[in-house]
Amino acid sequence: RKEVEQDPGPFNVPEGATVAFNCTYSNSASQSFFWYRQDCRKEPKLLMSVYSSGNEDGRFTAQLNRASQYISLLIRDSKLSDSATYLCVVSSSNTGKLIFGQGTTLQVKP
Amino acid sequence: DTAVSQTPKYLVTQMGNDKSIKCEQNLGHDTMYWYKQDSKKFLKIMFSYNNKELIINETVPNRFSPKSPDKAHLNLHINSLELGDSAVYFCASSSGTLSSYEQYFGPGTRLTVT
Repeated sequence: RKEVEQDPGPFNVPEGATVAFNCTYSNSASQSFFWYRQDCRKEPKLLMSVYSSGNEDGRFTAQLNRASQYISLLIRDSKLSDSATYLCVVSSSNTGKLIFGQGTTLQVKP
Repeated sequence: DTAVSQTPKYLVTQMGNDKSIKCEQNLGHDTMYWYKQDSKKFLKIMFSYNNKELIINETVPNRFSPKSPDKAHLNLHINSLELGDSAVYFCASSSGTLSSYEQYFGPGTRLTVT
């Protein structure tokens, strides 16, 4: 079983749609959780950290359920510029080691 | 004013050759990393250094040798290149080793072994 699992998609949605991505992780000792965004042929960039209380940044909302070992990302009012691969990332140590999921590809169409 | 830079951006070479990739960060960070992203897009950590000291060394063939001359630089040398080494290699840096610190990635080096 992969340490971090995501549905690779692709998710094809129209502009303005709301889309949700899910991710599960296998290590219950995981401490930190993130969503990174990776544009085609570019480097990953941090989108947001994920906290147990849930957190929101504009149109983006991230949730963490430690009991179910489940992380989600909700994007409201999708824009064309949201088209990218969204990487679920987990860390279970204080060495800085990040475990990446395979990524979920989002394509927002006009 | 690139934060994390890598050279070269593209590298095409033949099997059996030895090559190096260089990484530099101007963020004043203490910790640097090498990641490999394969054709299936999985991004996996290979090594990390904190203040020039190796702290993560994943199960990577010993043909791969990182070297950190100072905390702003982390280079990756690969001996006897194989077809399976073809991938995108990303360098990253962070303020420290705490898992909560954001990691900043370089633009990647696309290595093709023929």
